Amino acid sequence: DIQMTQSPSSLSASVGDRVSITCQASQDISNYLNWYQQKAGKAPKLLIYDASDLETGVPSRFSGNGSGTDFTFTISSLQPEDIATYYCQHYDNLPRYTFGQGTKLEIK
Amino acid sequence: QVQLVQSGADVKKPGASVKVSCKASGYTFTSYDINWVRQATGQGLEWMGWMNPNRGNTVYAQKFQGRVNMTSNTSIRTAYMELSSLRSEDTAVYYCARADGFFGFDIWGHGTMVTVSS
Repeated sequence: DIQMTQSPSSLSASVGDRVSITCQASQDISNYLNWYQQKAGKAPKLLIYDASDLETGVPSRFSGNGSGTDFTFTISSLQPEDIATYYCQHYDNLPRYTFGQGTKLEIK
Repeated sequence: QVQLVQSGADVKKPGASVKVSCKASGYTFTSYDINWVRQATGQGLEWMGWMNPNRGNTVYAQKFQGRVNMTSNTSIRTAYMELSSLRSEDTAVYYCARADGFFGFDIWGHGTMVTVSS
């Protein structure tokens, strides 16, 4: 089974900062990676699919890149409403899905 | 609008089964897979499996094989997830989510809290 390692597990940053989260796969997964945002007490929300495609309606300060084994999710200018936990998600050709462990993002 | 509405919270005893429902509206129910994801308090997301309401086929995570059953009733646009032989570790919020092909889970239900306690 493919393992997804997401880091860091928590992150504190200031409003306006550029923030990045990484997700590493244990083997080549091409671009089969999505990113989600989950605010406290809410269901997750899809932000990025296929590693770098922005879901409709998601602000352009969110972006994703990478392929193969190494992926990065970036918020270009952190806003107060971005406080949440972020998850990467790998999928295979069945598809079966695996979530990363999550990154809890807080305001400094 | 497009939405998934789940059944209410439930409390079960160890060894029992629970069946959570997920009613779809605002889109063609048979055109998208329904996935189930659970989240224990303070923990991460755990994918359980999916079913296709049109074909009725399913794919389950290995961890839940033999203990989970995902079904649907297309006449009432509702998907179901039944988990049997419950134990305390199954206490979690259970979400249904629509899969837009391979493009991620774009619509989520609000979650159903299932508590397993004697």
